[in-house]
Amino acid sequence: DTEVTQTPKHLVMGMTNKKSLKCEQHMGHRAMYWYKQKAKKPPELMFVYSYEKLSINESVPSRFSPECPNSSLLNLHLHALQPEDSALYLCASSQVGSTSYEQYFGPGTRLTVT
Amino acid sequence: GNSVTQMEGPVTLSEEAFLTINCTYTATGYPSLFWYVQYPGEGLQLLLKATKADDKGSNKGFEATYRKETTSFHLEKGSVQVSDSAVYFCALRVLRGSTLGRLYFGRGTQLTVWP
Repeated sequence: DTEVTQTPKHLVMGMTNKKSLKCEQHMGHRAMYWYKQKAKKPPELMFVYSYEKLSINESVPSRFSPECPNSSLLNLHLHALQPEDSALYLCASSQVGSTSYEQYFGPGTRLTVT
Repeated sequence: GNSVTQMEGPVTLSEEAFLTINCTYTATGYPSLFWYVQYPGEGLQLLLKATKADDKGSNKGFEATYRKETTSFHLEKGSVQVSDSAVYFCALRVLRGSTLGRLYFGRGTQLTVWP
């Protein structure tokens, strides 16, 4: 099983709402990632978790709050977002320890902030 | 630093034409190289990879060879199909501090294949 699942597939939220994106993998990967992708652009790294600890935060605004409850799950909590945060949010996972390990991506959550 | 330069798109081809998408890179250390494909409305799928110089990655008729001397990893396919229409991303992965290995993406190349 090489699948990363993400829910919801689509999300529309107002600027005062609080919502969460969820990601799950059962490949035994110990690194999990959040990316943001705008239309016609490559994914931009937001956060990396390694062994359930936050390892990389690419200077992401605090209105995005990641959480890794266990080795299979990754959440992204959203609060007080801006319209420019509308994008495709991708989750990925990989093994740890070598550059040869590829990242497996989920299908993404299409977020629209109104 | 680490970066990937991809040829600008969009690329438009007729079915059964030959495809080349150029990719060059700069890297600190010894990277692994990847091609990812993104179909409309979907996430990224790994197309192929190469982890050392002169390695050839291949999948679904696509090929790319890791050329260290020219720092290139060009994607090729001998005969494209309409179903190959997608955005293609070249990427490299290097170690960063820990053993995580962050991905650096090129800008992406939109490929459209007409019947």
